[in-house]
Amino acid sequence: EADIYQTPRYLVIGTGKKITLECSQTMGHDKMYWYQQDPGMELHLIHYSYGVNSTEKGDLSSESTVSRIRTEHFPLTLESARPSHTSQYLCASSFGDRGRETQYFGPGTRLLVL
Amino acid sequence: QKEVEQDPGPLSVPEGAIVSLNCTYSNSAFQYFMWYRQYSRKGPELLMYTYSSGNKEDGRFTAQVDKSSKYISLFIRDSQPSDSATYLCAMSRGGATNKLIFGTGTLLAVQP
Repeated sequence: EADIYQTPRYLVIGTGKKITLECSQTMGHDKMYWYQQDPGMELHLIHYSYGVNSTEKGDLSSESTVSRIRTEHFPLTLESARPSHTSQYLCASSFGDRGRETQYFGPGTRLLVL
Repeated sequence: QKEVEQDPGPLSVPEGAIVSLNCTYSNSAFQYFMWYRQYSRKGPELLMYTYSSGNKEDGRFTAQVDKSSKYISLFIRDSQPSDSATYLCAMSRGGATNKLIFGTGTLLAVQP
């Protein structure tokens, strides 16, 4: 069973606030991912990392930023939250070689920006 | 046009029924195919993982991949109320990046 944690699980915040969504995994996986999921829509990749000090933007443009200073930790930051950022954010991690790998997801953070 | 198409449902079946869930895709480069199950207010959990064409069985679940038709299926036998969830198909080309492309998910309700 995958051990990947996200905090907070739910967050209601006002426009203009800075927020950081935390993601940690205890499996030693090199690769980590952030997805955005809206109701009735597919998961969209917004950031990924293949290891410490490696981060890339995903397919969906996002105003958020990420960092990967430690293998187990991959936080996502919004400098100034807006109502358009309201969504569910899912963190995932994976291991394996060149596609023979599976991604394990955390429970998600539901963000509501008022 | 989306790379992966999945009927969003909802799909409602009686307990004990055989459920068939499907996805079609347009990119012939996809080689790795997955099915995830997502309960309400939870993250997706991996159910089945298949490489290339063929069938894979795990308990009550069977995954099928037909690359010639660009069509994948998940069958659930003897469905249970606990199977009620959203089922997401996902696929990738493999390689160093291994980005997953997801379907929108099918909402399944198994009625007791």
